[in-house]
Amino acid sequence: GENVEQHPSTLSVQEGDSAVIKCTYSDSASNYFPWYKQELGKGPQLIIDIRSNVGEKKDQRIAVTLNKTAKHFSLHITETQPEDSAVYFCAATTDNYGQNFVFGPGTRLSVLP
Amino acid sequence: GAVVSQHPSWVICKSGTSVKIECRSLDFQATTMFWYRQFPKQSLMLMATSNEGSKATYEQGVEKDKFLINHASLTLSTLTVTSAHPEDSSFYICSARLPGGGGEQYFGPGTRLTVT
Repeated sequence: GENVEQHPSTLSVQEGDSAVIKCTYSDSASNYFPWYKQELGKGPQLIIDIRSNVGEKKDQRIAVTLNKTAKHFSLHITETQPEDSAVYFCAATTDNYGQNFVFGPGTRLSVLP
Repeated sequence: GAVVSQHPSWVICKSGTSVKIECRSLDFQATTMFWYRQFPKQSLMLMATSNEGSKATYEQGVEKDKFLINHASLTLSTLTVTSAHPEDSSFYICSARLPGGGGEQYFGPGTRLTVT
Protein backbone atom coordinates (compact mmCIF):
# COMPACT_ATOMS: atom_id res chain seq x y z
CA GLY A 1 0.00 0.00 0.00
CA GLU A 2 0.85 3.67 -0.08
CA ASN A 3 3.45 5.04 2.32
CA VAL A 4 4.01 8.76 2.83
CA GLU A 5 7.10 10.17 4.47
CA GLN A 6 7.43 13.79 5.50
CA HIS A 7 10.46 15.91 6.36
CA PRO A 8 11.45 17.67 8.45
CA SER A 9 9.49 16.69 11.54
CA THR A 10 10.09 20.11 13.07
CA LEU A 11 11.03 23.38 11.41
CA SER A 12 11.80 26.75 12.92
CA VAL A 13 12.11 29.85 10.76
CA GLN A 14 12.35 33.55 11.37
CA GLU A 15 9.35 35.65 10.52
CA GLY A 16 9.54 36.72 6.90
CA ASP A 17 11.67 33.76 5.81
CA SER A 18 10.47 30.91 3.64
CA ALA A 19 9.59 27.41 4.82
CA VAL A 20 9.68 24.23 2.76
CA ILE A 21 8.22 20.87 3.76
CA LYS A 22 8.75 17.82 1.59
CA CYS A 23 6.77 14.61 1.28
CA THR A 24 7.60 11.46 -0.61
CA TYR A 25 5.16 8.77 -1.58
CA SER A 26 5.59 5.20 -2.69
CA ASP A 27 2.63 4.42 -4.96
CA SER A 28 3.14 5.80 -8.45
CA ALA A 29 -0.63 5.55 -8.98
CA SER A 30 -1.32 8.28 -6.41
CA ASN A 31 -2.98 11.19 -8.14
CA TYR A 32 -4.18 13.65 -5.50
CA PHE A 33 -1.99 15.37 -2.91
CA PRO A 34 -3.54 17.73 -0.34
CA TRP A 35 -1.83 19.70 2.39
CA TYR A 36 -3.50 20.37 5.73
CA LYS A 37 -2.69 22.84 8.50
CA GLN A 38 -3.64 21.85 12.02
CA GLU A 39 -3.56 24.28 14.90
CA LEU A 40 -3.48 23.04 18.47
CA GLY A 41 -6.77 21.48 19.53
CA LYS A 42 -8.39 21.98 16.14
CA GLY A 43 -9.19 19.90 13.12
CA PRO A 44 -7.00 19.95 10.00
CA GLN A 45 -7.68 22.71 7.50
CA LEU A 46 -7.15 22.12 3.79
CA ILE A 47 -4.76 24.83 2.61
CA ILE A 48 -3.76 23.71 -0.86
CA ASP A 49 -3.81 20.61 -3.03
CA ILE A 50 -2.40 19.40 -6.31
CA ARG A 51 -3.32 16.70 -8.79
CA SER A 52 -1.01 14.49 -10.76
CA ASN A 53 -1.59 16.32 -14.04
CA VAL A 54 -0.18 19.56 -12.61
CA GLY A 55 3.41 20.35 -11.64
CA GLU A 56 2.87 23.42 -9.51
CA LYS A 57 0.06 25.34 -7.89
CA LYS A 58 0.17 28.63 -6.03
CA ASP A 59 -2.22 30.46 -3.74
CA GLN A 60 -0.85 33.76 -2.43
CA ARG A 61 2.02 32.89 -0.06
CA ILE A 62 1.53 29.14 -0.37
CA ALA A 63 2.64 26.93 -3.22
CA VAL A 64 2.89 23.21 -3.84
CA THR A 65 5.14 21.48 -6.34
CA LEU A 66 4.89 17.91 -7.55
CA ASN A 67 7.59 15.74 -9.08
CA LYS A 68 5.90 12.57 -10.28
CA THR A 69 9.09 10.99 -11.52
CA ALA A 70 10.77 11.28 -8.15
CA LYS A 71 7.48 10.75 -6.32
CA HIS A 72 7.69 13.74 -4.08
CA PHE A 73 5.75 16.93 -3.50
CA SER A 74 6.59 19.96 -1.44
CA LEU A 75 4.83 22.77 0.37
CA HIS A 76 6.39 26.20 0.10
CA ILE A 77 5.39 29.06 2.38
CA THR A 78 6.89 32.45 1.66
CA GLU A 79 7.03 35.53 3.90
CA THR A 80 6.14 33.43 6.93
CA GLN A 81 4.13 34.98 9.73
CA PRO A 82 3.66 33.88 13.36
CA GLU A 83 0.14 32.70 12.52
CA ASP A 84 1.66 30.17 10.14
CA SER A 85 2.92 28.27 13.21
CA ALA A 86 1.08 24.94 13.25
CA VAL A 87 1.47 21.29 12.33
CA TYR A 88 1.31 20.62 8.62
CA PHE A 89 0.26 17.25 7.18
CA CYS A 90 0.62 16.06 3.62
CA ALA A 91 -1.46 13.24 2.21
CA ALA A 92 -1.66 11.13 -0.91
CA THR A 93 -4.38 9.04 -2.45
CA THR A 94 -4.90 6.95 -5.55
CA ASP A 95 -8.65 7.38 -5.30
CA ASN A 96 -10.45 10.09 -7.24
CA TYR A 97 -13.27 9.79 -4.75
CA GLY A 98 -11.14 11.06 -1.91
CA GLN A 99 -10.94 7.86 0.01
CA ASN A 100 -7.91 6.01 1.24
CA PHE A 101 -5.99 9.13 2.21
CA VAL A 102 -2.57 8.25 3.57
CA PHE A 103 -1.19 11.01 5.75
CA GLY A 104 2.39 11.88 6.44
CA PRO A 105 3.54 12.05 10.07
CA GLY A 106 3.39 15.85 10.15
CA THR A 107 5.77 18.79 10.43
CA ARG A 108 5.64 21.20 13.34
CA LEU A 109 6.43 24.65 11.99
CA SER A 110 7.39 27.43 14.35
CA VAL A 111 7.70 30.96 13.01
CA LEU A 112 9.78 33.04 15.38
CA PRO A 113 8.98 36.75 15.59
CA GLY B 1 -18.13 26.89 1.81
CA ALA B 2 -17.30 23.27 2.73
CA VAL B 3 -17.84 23.59 6.46
CA VAL B 4 -17.95 20.55 8.71
CA SER B 5 -19.03 20.73 12.32
CA GLN B 6 -18.65 18.31 15.20
CA HIS B 7 -20.50 18.06 18.48
CA PRO B 8 -19.52 17.99 21.23
CA SER B 9 -16.11 19.65 21.04
CA TRP B 10 -15.09 17.88 24.22
CA VAL B 11 -16.62 15.28 26.50
CA ILE B 12 -15.67 13.57 29.73
CA CYS B 13 -17.33 10.28 30.56
CA LYS B 14 -16.95 7.50 33.06
CA SER B 15 -15.53 4.13 32.15
CA GLY B 16 -18.22 1.76 30.90
CA THR B 17 -20.54 4.40 29.51
CA SER B 18 -21.19 5.21 25.85
CA VAL B 19 -20.57 8.48 24.08
CA LYS B 20 -22.01 9.73 20.79
CA ILE B 21 -20.20 12.21 18.57
CA GLU B 22 -21.98 13.96 15.71
CA CYS B 23 -20.44 15.12 12.46
CA ARG B 24 -22.37 17.43 10.15
CA SER B 25 -21.64 18.88 6.74
CA LEU B 26 -23.21 22.33 6.97
CA ASP B 27 -23.24 23.60 3.40
CA PHE B 28 -22.96 20.54 1.23
CA GLN B 29 -24.27 17.02 1.07
CA ALA B 30 -21.75 14.34 1.84
CA THR B 31 -22.42 10.80 0.76
CA THR B 32 -19.12 9.80 2.31
CA MET B 33 -17.69 10.84 5.65
CA PHE B 34 -14.62 9.60 7.45
CA TRP B 35 -13.73 9.13 11.09
CA TYR B 36 -10.18 9.58 12.29
CA ARG B 37 -8.45 9.21 15.60
CA GLN B 38 -5.44 11.26 16.58
CA PHE B 39 -3.14 10.70 19.54
CA PRO B 40 -1.02 13.58 20.88
CA LYS B 41 1.73 14.66 18.50
CA GLN B 42 0.80 11.97 16.00
CA SER B 43 -0.76 11.88 12.59
CA LEU B 44 -4.36 11.08 11.75
CA MET B 45 -5.36 7.44 11.77
CA LEU B 46 -8.37 6.50 9.68
CA MET B 47 -10.85 4.45 11.68
CA ALA B 48 -13.68 3.99 9.24
CA THR B 49 -15.40 5.23 6.13
CA SER B 50 -19.06 6.09 6.53
CA ASN B 51 -21.34 5.90 3.50
CA GLU B 52 -24.85 7.30 3.62
CA GLY B 53 -27.44 4.57 3.74
CA SER B 54 -25.01 1.68 4.04
CA LYS B 55 -22.75 0.05 6.58
CA ALA B 56 -19.49 1.68 7.45
CA THR B 57 -16.20 0.22 6.31
CA TYR B 58 -13.77 -0.19 9.18
CA GLU B 59 -9.99 -0.16 8.95
CA GLN B 60 -8.08 -3.20 10.08
CA GLY B 61 -7.79 -3.34 13.84
CA VAL B 62 -10.77 -1.09 14.55
CA GLU B 63 -13.52 -2.85 16.48
CA LYS B 64 -16.81 -2.26 14.69
CA ASP B 65 -18.83 -3.27 17.75
CA LYS B 66 -17.02 -0.74 19.89
CA PHE B 67 -17.07 2.17 17.46
CA LEU B 68 -20.57 2.28 16.02
CA ILE B 69 -21.02 4.49 12.98
CA ASN B 70 -24.34 5.63 11.57
CA HIS B 71 -24.64 7.76 8.44
CA ALA B 72 -28.38 8.21 8.33
CA SER B 73 -28.54 11.33 6.17
CA LEU B 74 -26.47 13.18 3.60
CA THR B 75 -25.37 15.71 6.21
CA LEU B 76 -24.98 13.69 9.40
CA SER B 77 -22.76 10.86 10.55
CA THR B 78 -22.44 9.75 14.15
CA LEU B 79 -19.74 7.83 15.97
CA THR B 80 -20.71 6.08 19.19
CA VAL B 81 -17.96 4.83 21.45
CA THR B 82 -19.55 2.01 23.40
CA SER B 83 -18.45 0.86 26.84
CA ALA B 84 -15.68 3.43 26.82
CA HIS B 85 -12.42 2.77 28.63
CA PRO B 86 -9.54 5.11 29.48
CA GLU B 87 -7.56 3.84 26.49
CA ASP B 88 -10.32 5.19 24.23
CA SER B 89 -9.40 8.71 25.34
CA SER B 90 -8.29 10.53 22.23
CA PHE B 91 -9.03 13.28 19.73
CA TYR B 92 -11.67 12.11 17.26
CA ILE B 93 -11.99 13.98 13.99
CA CYS B 94 -14.47 13.51 11.18
CA SER B 95 -14.19 14.65 7.60
CA ALA B 96 -16.60 14.85 4.72
CA ARG B 97 -15.84 14.30 1.09
CA LEU B 98 -16.89 17.04 -1.26
CA PRO B 99 -19.26 15.59 -3.86
CA GLY B 100 -18.31 15.58 -7.50
CA GLY B 101 -15.44 13.13 -7.51
CA GLY B 102 -12.74 15.70 -6.86
CA GLY B 103 -11.59 13.91 -3.76
CA GLU B 104 -11.30 16.86 -1.38
CA GLN B 105 -11.92 16.10 2.28
CA TYR B 106 -12.92 18.80 4.72
CA PHE B 107 -12.40 18.18 8.40
CA GLY B 108 -14.45 19.00 11.44
CA PRO B 109 -12.92 20.73 14.47
CA GLY B 110 -12.54 17.47 16.38
CA THR B 111 -13.89 16.07 19.63
CA ARG B 112 -11.67 15.54 22.66
CA LEU B 113 -12.85 12.44 24.53
CA THR B 114 -11.60 11.78 28.04
CA VAL B 115 -12.66 8.59 29.77
CA THR B 116 -12.15 8.53 33.54
